[in-house]
Amino acid sequence: GIQVEQSPPDLILQEGANSTLRCNFSDSVNNLQWFHQNPWGQLINLFYIPSGTKQNGRLSATTVATERYSLLYISSSQTTDSGVYFCAAHPPPLNSGGSNYKLTFGKGTLLTVNP
Amino acid sequence: ETGVTQTPRHLVMGMTNKKSLKCEQHLGHNAMYWYKQSAKKPLELMFVYSLEERVENNSVPSRFSPECPNSSHLFLHLHTLQPEDSALYLCASSQDGQGRNEQYFGPGTRLTVT
Repeated sequence: GIQVEQSPPDLILQEGANSTLRCNFSDSVNNLQWFHQNPWGQLINLFYIPSGTKQNGRLSATTVATERYSLLYISSSQTTDSGVYFCAAHPPPLNSGGSNYKLTFGKGTLLTVNP
Repeated sequence: ETGVTQTPRHLVMGMTNKKSLKCEQHLGHNAMYWYKQSAKKPLELMFVYSLEERVENNSVPSRFSPECPNSSHLFLHLHTLQPEDSALYLCASSQDGQGRNEQYFGPGTRLTVT
């Protein structure tokens, strides 16, 4: 199946700093999502971005599908941005015409933003 | 609020107990999922239901038994669990199961097996 690798595994920032998180995937994708997991375990959808660039406030994401990577940018970081950021990829349906239901997650980037 | 709710939020059970986790989605989606998140491991897909039919069982032990009575509800029945089954169990839903739409997650049930 598809492999998803995230870097860096850990990141510590001062409030106000900018950061870039990277996600590499091993195959073509039908779906690429970025999530933020808060300290209580809730996964919050950040972006659905199988290709192209999107922005939402201080966050933006870019996926270059042909080169099999996605980037998440966080600008002017705040303490509330702390948590784990996951990238997850879903390959296209199988060539045989069958379905492939698996959204594969990376191991995440643990972000700590200090005041 | 993601439109996906889970109960209970926390559960402690002994290895001989039987319990059930419940998930409900209010998004009108047709696919629902169970994931397991253990400490220091990526999220692992357990089961997928599409239009109330189980379409994926990701080599999950039989002590975990899913049930999808309709497209809005998903259960995970637990029996004779092991301490290594302690984890965060997350439910998700999407419009379909083909990966063309976002998955939305519930808040999870944190399970401790004693």
